[in-house]
Amino acid sequence: DVKVTQSSRYLVKRTGEKVFLECVQDMDHENMFWYRQDPGLGLRLIYFSYDVKMKEKGDIPEGYSVSREKKERFSLILESASTNQTSMYLCAALRGAISGANVLTFGAGSRLTVL
Amino acid sequence: RKEVEQDPGPFNVPEGATVAFNCTYSNSASQSFFWYRQDCRKEPKLLMSVYSSGNEDGRFTAQLNRASQYISLLIRDSKLSDSATYLCVVTRRRDYSGAGSYQLTFGKGTKLSVIP
Repeated sequence: DVKVTQSSRYLVKRTGEKVFLECVQDMDHENMFWYRQDPGLGLRLIYFSYDVKMKEKGDIPEGYSVSREKKERFSLILESASTNQTSMYLCAALRGAISGANVLTFGAGSRLTVL
Repeated sequence: RKEVEQDPGPFNVPEGATVAFNCTYSNSASQSFFWYRQDCRKEPKLLMSVYSSGNEDGRFTAQLNRASQYISLLIRDSKLSDSATYLCVVTRRRDYSGAGSYQLTFGKGTKLSVIP
């Protein structure tokens, strides 16, 4: 099974700080995703990437950027953190086309608090 | 109409009960369907895929009704350990072609509490 590792489980940052959230997967999957999850709003897609150096905006990309320099690593960047970016951030990986055999696997999540 | 909607919950059921969740989707082009389980403060994990003919895994049964555009999850003989939030996931291809061009949409989840 693929393992998706998010480097930081809990972070506390101040407004205006630059924040890096790192995600690494160990199974050479093409597709990687960043979501945020908030009570009452569910999971919302921020960005996804389907190959090295390729990225696509999700539903809520504003205030975020991403980087995928290597296949196994997908980074989420908050250039200037704001309090409304306090959330649980979940990274996920997927091999090929999604199907009953290929499913989305999540990391353990990074809980970010912006003060 | 939202693309994916789930029963609002929460569902509080006694041990041993049978409980069913529904999830409706609005886009008839949706292709693949899944149920994920999320424990408190943990990541979502795949519970089961949903196949057109319906499928069963132990106490869990998933069904798809394409005509009415919903999927369902039935849990029989509920256990305390079934307490979690259940998320439905619906996928379809995006409007452009290319690798990774799938839209995955999550429901907001239904919280289940199984009570002793």
